[in-house]
Amino acid sequence: AQSVTQPDIHITVSEGASLELRCNYSYGATPYLFWYVQSPGQGLQLLLKYFSGDTLVQGIKGFEAEFKRSQSSFNLRKPSVHWSDAAEYFCAVGRKAAGNKLTFGGGTRVLVKP
Amino acid sequence: KAGVTQTPRYLIKTRGQQVTLSCSPISGHRSVSWYQQTPGQGLQFLFEYFSETQRNKGNFPGRFSGRQFSNSRSEMNVSTLELGDSALYLCASSLDGVDEQFFGPGTRLTVL
Repeated sequence: AQSVTQPDIHITVSEGASLELRCNYSYGATPYLFWYVQSPGQGLQLLLKYFSGDTLVQGIKGFEAEFKRSQSSFNLRKPSVHWSDAAEYFCAVGRKAAGNKLTFGGGTRVLVKP
Repeated sequence: KAGVTQTPRYLIKTRGQQVTLSCSPISGHRSVSWYQQTPGQGLQFLFEYFSETQRNKGNFPGRFSGRQFSNSRSEMNVSTLELGDSALYLCASSLDGVDEQFFGPGTRLTVL
C-alpha cells in the first residue's frame, strides 16, 4: 500500500527566510505527487503537481517542488516566505489505477515569525 | 466559474442519528471524491464517484455511503453516528482520471 510521510509536524520560519517542507512516499511505481495548502477553516488548495517530465515543478504562490526518485521524495520549497504562507501543508500521492484516490501525509504546520 | 460548494457548512448531531452531506462540483467536473479529516487520523479517502458510479472506496465501515446524481452533484450519508465520526468532511471534484482536484470548504460535523 502506498504511504506518505511528512517528518516535520511543525516548522517555524522567519518572514523573508526560505522554507523547505519534506515529503517521502512509499510506492512501487512512479506516483502522481501533489502539494496542497490548507488555511484555518478552509478546504485544500493545490500548490503544484507532478505527473511526469521535468522533476522540478513550479507552482502557485512562488512554490516549487523537486521529485527525486532515488530518494522517494518530493520536497516543497519557497525562497522567501511571506506572513500569508502560515498554514498547513499536505503532500499527497495518487496513482493512475486508483482514479482520484489520494493518500495524504500527516501535514506540516508552518508558522511565520515577523 | 463557481468553485466546489458543500452544504451545510456546520452540523451538530447526536450519537445514533444519521446525516447527509451535499457536494456540488465545479461545472463540467464528473468526478467527486470525499475525504474525512480528523486531528488523529489526518486526511483519509472515503470514496470517489464518477458518472454516478462508485469508482474507488476507502477503508471505512458500511455506515458511510454515498451517491452521485446525473448532474454530478454528490451526497454522502453516515448512519448510526458515533462520536468518532466528528470531523471535517471534504469534497473534491475533478474533470476525469487522475487530475487536479478542487476541494470545497468542507462540512464540519460534530457528534455529541
